[in-house]
Amino acid sequence: DAGVIQSPRHEVTEMGQEVTLRCKPISGHNSLFWYRQTMMRGLELLIYFNNNVPIDDSGMPEDRFSAKMPNASFSTLKIQPSEPRDSAVYFCASTAGFNTGELFFGEGSRLTVL
Amino acid sequence: AQSVTQPDIHITVSEGASLELRCNYSYGATPYLFWYVQSPGQGLQLLLKYFSGDTLVQGIKGFEAEFKRSQSSFNLRKPSVHWSDAAEYFCAVGASGTYKYIFGTGTRLKVLA
Repeated sequence: DAGVIQSPRHEVTEMGQEVTLRCKPISGHNSLFWYRQTMMRGLELLIYFNNNVPIDDSGMPEDRFSAKMPNASFSTLKIQPSEPRDSAVYFCASTAGFNTGELFFGEGSRLTVL
Repeated sequence: AQSVTQPDIHITVSEGASLELRCNYSYGATPYLFWYVQSPGQGLQLLLKYFSGDTLVQGIKGFEAEFKRSQSSFNLRKPSVHWSDAAEYFCAVGASGTYKYIFGTGTRLKVLA
């Protein structure tokens, strides 16, 4: 069974450009998370979806960030316009339910904004 | 406040030596506790978890962890480290029905040949 799939794995862009990160969760998982990992702040929860509905976006740093989940098998995280301080590794994770406790992480998208 | 503390940022051990990574937590509810491992360039993978019951839990790759409620700790151990264990290890805490997992800042393990 395929795991969580993220694309692109690496993205280098210039300040001001739009960035779109993509995620395909594990089939059958109804919860999806976007995390950001930096050296300074560690792993931060950006947004949580349950059954394709955004439940908690309080971790989204500012209006430049947006996330969508149009269906159960696809989610996007968009940054527009991007800034150098957005450089980080962005992880998508999914789970079938919190009784199992386990989050399944993708391999991450490493974003560099010049 | 809810938090997870991993006091060791870096740990270096020789191959074949034993390992203990520390994790302390502060959490209002009965915690679910997890250890994840992140190899370079990879996502996080679950090593083991504790929900209830036996306080010594076994995980993958020969790892185990012990939950000590009185010390608010959930330390990860391995009796004999292999070079392939070099990675970053994250302790995390959650609770029944919550989606907000709190992750520690990680401990980077280096293994000397």
